[in-house]
Amino acid sequence: QKEVEQDPGPLSVPEGAIVSLNCTYSNSAFQYFMWYRQYSRKGPELLMYTYSSGNKEDGRFTAQVDKSSKYISLFIRDSQPSDSATYLCAMTKGLGSQGNLIFGKGTKLSVKP
Amino acid sequence: DARVTQTPRHKVTEMGQEVTMRCQPILGHNTVFWYRQTMMQGLELLAYFRNRAPLDDSGMPKDRFSAEMPDATLATLKIQPSEPRDSAVYFCASGLVQGSPLHFGNGTRLTVT
Repeated sequence: QKEVEQDPGPLSVPEGAIVSLNCTYSNSAFQYFMWYRQYSRKGPELLMYTYSSGNKEDGRFTAQVDKSSKYISLFIRDSQPSDSATYLCAMTKGLGSQGNLIFGKGTKLSVKP
Repeated sequence: DARVTQTPRHKVTEMGQEVTMRCQPILGHNTVFWYRQTMMQGLELLAYFRNRAPLDDSGMPKDRFSAEMPDATLATLKIQPSEPRDSAVYFCASGLVQGSPLHFGNGTRLTVT
């Protein structure tokens, strides 16, 4: 079993839809959780960063962490064609020498006008 | 807006040739990572440095890959000799401390024929 599992999609939604992207993980030691967005032929860029369980909201984006279920989600409200990209989750046990980021394989999202 | 800079953006070479990829991390970041991205495997960690010292290169085929950081502003990844299976996008990323969010460059797209 991989440490981080992510459905590769592709996921296609109409403009304005609510999008839900998810990752599951197996290592209960993970404490920090991130979502990256990667446009075609670009490097991943950090979208959201959360510590431990709970929700974090930034504009149309909400990141949710449920450590009891080892499950993290990214919600996109009022999705736009410009949100079309691959979304990668990443997580780590801690800062400093405690660990490196472990990435999911990414979910490809397409938002149709 | 500080960025990680990678050169070249594209490289096409013949099997057996040496390939050198370069990365300028964000000034002040003390961790530098090299990743390889393919459709099948997603992002794979090849090697990383902390304060210019190599900490882990277990993800690299040691007989042909080498990574160095001659100074704080330059990281290099070399492949010699290159093989068609090395064709991928190679990303450099830097961060403030290990485990903190990474900032990625836009990658070097390598094609080995």
